[in-house]
Amino acid sequence: AQSVSQHNHHVILSEAASLELGCNYSYGGTVNLFWYVQYPGQHLQLLLKYFSGDPLVKGIKGFEAEFIKSKFSFNLRKPSVQWSDTAEYFCAVHSGTYKYIFGTGTRLKVLA
Amino acid sequence: DTEVTQTPKHLVMGMTNKKSLKCEQHMGHRAMYWYKQKAKKPPELMFVYSYEKLSINESVPSRFSPECPNSSLLNLHLHALQPEDSALYLCASSQVGTTSTDTQYFGPGTRLTVL
Repeated sequence: AQSVSQHNHHVILSEAASLELGCNYSYGGTVNLFWYVQYPGQHLQLLLKYFSGDPLVKGIKGFEAEFIKSKFSFNLRKPSVQWSDTAEYFCAVHSGTYKYIFGTGTRLKVLA
Repeated sequence: DTEVTQTPKHLVMGMTNKKSLKCEQHMGHRAMYWYKQKAKKPPELMFVYSYEKLSINESVPSRFSPECPNSSLLNLHLHALQPEDSALYLCASSQVGTTSTDTQYFGPGTRLTVL
């Protein structure tokens, strides 16, 4: 069965620190990968997505993610976080049958 | 415009009530989804409509009844809910659904409380 793992459940950083959130998936076929962010009290917003091509994907708000096929990983990074990045981050995998498989989420708190 | 709208924002209902959640998109998407999200958990897929036909029902209890009146609208009818059904109900839409490059766009959700 397909699954997505986000190993960091809670992350606390100070402003200007660098961020890396892990995402690993298990699926043998072609997948497409997404990172969504959910700010407190708000809806899920698409941060970035990977379909094919350059494995380093740039998204909104200075986020980027790198797809490493050999490691089944799609880690999210940001060089310098801001207080406004405090949110919950979800990795998701889509294999083409309607269903997104979401990871359990990582709750990020950035201290001002 | 990548907006999915949902009404109401909040809903409180008793276990004997009947209510409906509404979702609307005007992006020309032909796949629409209902998800349930409990606190501190990822969204869980409930239903998928593709071209106004129910394509996926993730073994959801019959007290939840989806309806897709047209390609822009998606309803979720609620009847005889239980307190454990209290959650954030998210609607999403995507262009087609079956292609793996499909991107789902989410609405703000309806926060449901069942007393």
